[in-house]
Amino acid sequence: EAGVAQSPRYKIIEKRQSVAFWCNPISGHATLYWYQQILGQGPKLLIQFQNNGVVDDSQLPKDRFSAERLKGVDSTLKIQPAKLEDSAVYLCASSLGWADTQYFGPGTRLTVL
Amino acid sequence: QQQVKQSPQSLIVQKGGISIINCAYENTAFDYFPWYQQFPGKGPALLIAIRPDVSEKKEGRFTISFNKSAKQFSLHIMDSQPGDSATYFCAARQTGANNLFFGTGTRLTVIP
Repeated sequence: EAGVAQSPRYKIIEKRQSVAFWCNPISGHATLYWYQQILGQGPKLLIQFQNNGVVDDSQLPKDRFSAERLKGVDSTLKIQPAKLEDSAVYLCASSLGWADTQYFGPGTRLTVL
Repeated sequence: QQQVKQSPQSLIVQKGGISIINCAYENTAFDYFPWYQQFPGKGPALLIAIRPDVSEKKEGRFTISFNKSAKQFSLHIMDSQPGDSATYFCAARQTGANNLFFGTGTRLTVIP
C-alpha cells in the first residue's frame, strides 16, 4: 500500500515570499490533516479535512495560511507571505475515516531566510 | 499551553536495557493515547496506543503503562536495540474529536 506522498521535500525561501506544499493521501482515505512541526517540538495540527470539507482549522493562521482539498483527494497548503517563524516541517497525514489511525507523510522542510 | 507534557527530552540507553519515556496530561476528556516513533527525515508512525479503560498494553517489546488517577502514561521499550534509536512522541485525543495533541518528543539513542 502506497503511503502519504508529499512534495517538495525541501524548500528554502526569503521572508515575504509565498510557498505551496502538496499532499497526496493514501488511496481511499477520507480524512486529511496538515501539521506543523517546529524543530524540537511535536506536530501541531493546522487544519483537518473530511473529504473536501474543512472540519477544524482553528489553529490555522488564516491571515497567511490557506489550504484546500479539491475533489476530496489531493491537498495543497499555501503560505503567503512567509515569516521567519514559519520555518518548520509541514506534515500531511491521512486516515481512513474519523478517529482512525493517522498515517503521516515524510514532510516538507521549509526554511524561511 | 502544552496539553501533553513529555519527559525526558533525550535518553541514552545501552543495548539490551529498558527505555522509559513518561507523559502527563490534565484534560480528563482525553480518551485515546497513542505513541508515535519518528526516524530522521520521516514522518511519525504509530507504534502503540491505549485507551483509559486498561492499565497496560503490550505489543512485542513495547508496553504502555497507564495511570488514570495520576493522569500519566509511559512507554517502556524492553531489550532496547540500536534500531530503536529515534524520536518518540506521546499524544492524546479528546472524546468526540479527532485532532491529536502531541508531546514535545524524546530522542532515544541506544548504544551498541
